[in-house]
Amino acid sequence: AQSVTQLDSQVPVFEEAPVELRCNYSSSVSVYLFWYVQYPNQGLQLLLKYLSGSTLVKGINGFEAEFNKSQTSFHLRKPSVHISDTAEYFCAVYSSASKIIFGSGTRLSIRP
Amino acid sequence: EAQVTQNPRYLITVTGKKLTVTCSQNMNHEYMSWYRQDPGLGLRQIYYSMNVEVTDKGDVPEGYKVSRKEKRNFPLILESPSPNQTSLYFCASSPPLAGGRDEQFFGPGTRLTVL
Repeated sequence: AQSVTQLDSQVPVFEEAPVELRCNYSSSVSVYLFWYVQYPNQGLQLLLKYLSGSTLVKGINGFEAEFNKSQTSFHLRKPSVHISDTAEYFCAVYSSASKIIFGSGTRLSIRP
Repeated sequence: EAQVTQNPRYLITVTGKKLTVTCSQNMNHEYMSWYRQDPGLGLRQIYYSMNVEVTDKGDVPEGYKVSRKEKRNFPLILESPSPNQTSLYFCASSPPLAGGRDEQFFGPGTRLTVL
């Protein structure tokens, strides 16, 4: 069965600092990878997705992620964070059995 | 406005009292799904549906039922709720022909407490 691992449950960073949120998935022939963001007391919305093509994917709010097939990773990055980026971030993978598997989430807290 | 709606948004109930959480989408999406979100566990898929009358179990289906009689609606049924089903529930849908392999659009969530 496919799985998704988010190695960090919490990541504190200072405002305007860069950030990387890590995501590793178990290998599969075809992968469809996603990052979602959940702001406090809200539902989830898509940040970015990798379906095929370029391994560097750009999303909303200045975020980007790189699909690395050899390391089975899909880490999320932002060069300079704002207070408004405070949220929980979820990595997800579509599995070959039509199921969607989410990671356990990473809570990003921004310090002024 | 394209959206996924869920009702109710908040529900407190007692053990054993049957309940239904409704989910509706107006985007003509074929793939729909239910998740529960628990602290430290992320989102776990309960059931999903590829199309009308086609449903299948996710990772945590025990204690839940679903039906898909119309494309737009995908209700979640708890026949006999128990306290371990206290959670935040999300419904989501995905564009046609993607079969779940594309972005999911999430509803606002239903916070359920079972006493």
